[in-house]
Amino acid sequence: QSVLTQPPSVSAAPGQKVTISCSGSSSNIGNNYVSWYQQLPGAAPKLLIYENNKRPSGIPDRFSGSKSGTSATLGITGLQTGDEADYYCGTWDSSLSAGVFGGGTKVTVL
Amino acid sequence: EVQLVESGGGLVQPGGSLRLSCAASGFTLSSYEMNWVRRAPGRGLEWISYISSSGTTTHYADSVKGRFTISRDNAKNSLFLQMYSLRAEDTAVYYCTTYYYDAFVDWGPGSLVTVSS
Repeated sequence: QSVLTQPPSVSAAPGQKVTISCSGSSSNIGNNYVSWYQQLPGAAPKLLIYENNKRPSGIPDRFSGSKSGTSATLGITGLQTGDEADYYCGTWDSSLSAGVFGGGTKVTVL
Repeated sequence: EVQLVESGGGLVQPGGSLRLSCAASGFTLSSYEMNWVRRAPGRGLEWISYISSSGTTTHYADSVKGRFTISRDNAKNSLFLQMYSLRAEDTAVYYCTTYYYDAFVDWGPGSLVTVSS
C-alpha cells in the first residue's frame, strides 16, 4: 500500500480535461514539494511537474499542478491519445526519511 | 545532454547477489544527489534508495534496508546499487535518477532484474 493515495484510473474523451488527485499527510505532501511523473508503456518515467506547479522545459502547458494542504492535483487539458500512460505523484517523507510515490493512475483516452 | 544508463541487471536465483551500475554523462555527477527507483511487474513506482552528492548520506526503503547498498564513484561518474539476499519480490526494472528541485528529474532507461529459480 502506497504512502500517497491516487485513484487507480481516470478517463475522458479526446480534447477533454482530467484531474488526478494525490493525497498524503503532514509528513510528506504537507511539508514538502510535490512532483508528477508520466510513464508511457515500455518507457522510463518522465518528470512533468516539480515544486508543486512548475513545468520542466519541453513540457506543454496542457499539464498543470497544484497543491493544497496535504493533497495535490495534476490536471491535463486538451487530452490526446498520446497522453495514455500511468501518472505518479511523488515527494519526500520527512518522518520516514524516504522518497514516496503514489500508487499510480492510468489515464485512458476514450 | 544529460544521459543515465543502467547496467548489470539479469537473472539471479533467490538469495543471490547483483550489482547495478549507472553511468552518467553530459553533466558532473558529483554535483547531484542521486536515487534508485524500481517498478515491479504489475505494480507502481517504488523509491529504493538515496545518496547525497558527496556520498556521505544515504537512505533506504524499509523493503531493502540491510540488503541493498547504494554508493557512488564521482571520479568515474558512476552510481551503484549492490543487492544481496535477493527475493522474488525484488524482480523489477531498476532506474537511476538525478534528484534536484526536490524531484526525480533525469531517468535512465532502466535495467531489468529477475529473481527466479
